[in-house]
Amino acid sequence: KAGVTQTPRYLIKTRGQQVTLSCSPISGHRSVSWYQQTPGQGLQFLFEYFSETQRNKGNFPGRFSGRQFSNSRSEMNVSTLELGDSALYLCASSFKLPGELFFGEGSRLTVL
Amino acid sequence: AQSVAQPEDQVNVAEGNPLTVKCTYSVSGNPYLFWYVQYPNRGLQFLLKYITGDNLVKGSYGFEAEFNKSQTSFHLKKPSALVSDSALYFCAVRESGGSYIPTFGRGTSLIVHP
Repeated sequence: KAGVTQTPRYLIKTRGQQVTLSCSPISGHRSVSWYQQTPGQGLQFLFEYFSETQRNKGNFPGRFSGRQFSNSRSEMNVSTLELGDSALYLCASSFKLPGELFFGEGSRLTVL
Repeated sequence: AQSVAQPEDQVNVAEGNPLTVKCTYSVSGNPYLFWYVQYPNRGLQFLLKYITGDNLVKGSYGFEAEFNKSQTSFHLKKPSALVSDSALYFCAVRESGGSYIPTFGRGTSLIVHP
């Protein structure tokens, strides 16, 4: 069974731009969640989707948004990028709640 | 509010020796506890979980963890460390009956010396 796939793996943007990250969960998993990982803040929860509905949202500004499609694939968008948005963005899928999370390799975003 | 503490930023152990990575938690209700491992430039991999039942949980790669409710701890252990176990380890908690939003510890870097 294929794992969680995240694209792109690496990207460089400049301040003020926007970025869209994509995540394809493991087949059959309907829950997708997103996390931001930085050396200073560790792993921070962004949001969680289940069957196209946002179930939970972390403490991030409105510049961070996401959605889930009918095939469970998910995207997250960050608008008006700031230097502090540089991070590894991880997507995880889960078969059920509160089951274990299966993570993708992450998308490393660098904002210049 | 739920929280997780991993008191050691780094743990050093010689290959072949037992290892322990510590984790304590705080939740209002019953906890769901998890351990994950992260290798450089990779995502996190699930190691083991405690939901209910036996306090001693066995997981992948020979790791195990013991749930101690009175001490609110969930320490990760392995009887004999391998150099390949060197990685970053994260403890996570989800609260039963709550929103299930996971809270992760800050991570412990395990270094196994040959």
